[in-house]
Amino acid sequence: EDQVTQSPEALRLQEGESSSLNCSYTVSGLRGLFWYRQDPGKGPEFLFTLYSAGEEKEKERLKATLTKKESFLHITAPKPEDSATYLCAVQAVNYGGSQGNLIFGKGTKLSVKP
Amino acid sequence: GAVVSQHPSRVICKSGTSVKIECRSLDFQATTMFWYRQFPKKSLMLMATSNEGSKATYEQGVEKDKFLINHASLTLSTLTVTSAHPEDSSFYICSARRLVSYNEQFFGPGTRLTVL
Repeated sequence: EDQVTQSPEALRLQEGESSSLNCSYTVSGLRGLFWYRQDPGKGPEFLFTLYSAGEEKEKERLKATLTKKESFLHITAPKPEDSATYLCAVQAVNYGGSQGNLIFGKGTKLSVKP
Repeated sequence: GAVVSQHPSRVICKSGTSVKIECRSLDFQATTMFWYRQFPKKSLMLMATSNEGSKATYEQGVEKDKFLINHASLTLSTLTVTSAHPEDSSFYICSARRLVSYNEQFFGPGTRLTVL
């Protein structure tokens, strides 16, 4: 069964304290891995797509990396405005139901204190 | 680019009434739109996949007669919750996939439905 597990569930950081969020996945064949940011009461905001092991992408203080079993979202010198829930999702190569369906993890709630 | 809107953002209705939620891709064409439901402190649960011009594909356990989906154009999909009950209260989010970029889904801001 395709599955996505994110850890930790919650992470509290001081402003400037760098850290990483983990997304472990098991999927029959990976078409893509996605990172989203979600603020309370809002829809997810697209951050990155990763397609193959070894790929990395950066955006401001965020950097996403991918291996064959997991992805990391590294946050360098975070600021309070980085506080949000970060969602990881995978898209399998073959999905009998919906085409292009994303399988989401439960997210990591990040709080950055000033 | 890649902006998705939803309307309304919040709706409160009485039990037994029907509610329609619109999802629009504002600056791109979307052959496929997805409807998700999210419970408090939980991740997104896919309800159905909506393909333009064809019937929606529903996930297991989702009642297609209760959650009516219409995808009449490349920029608009609607979700109608029929005969809503308090247990249908939730946060409903749509996403749209661009024609050009096959994999990426862009999400709307969500609709908070409260059924009294």
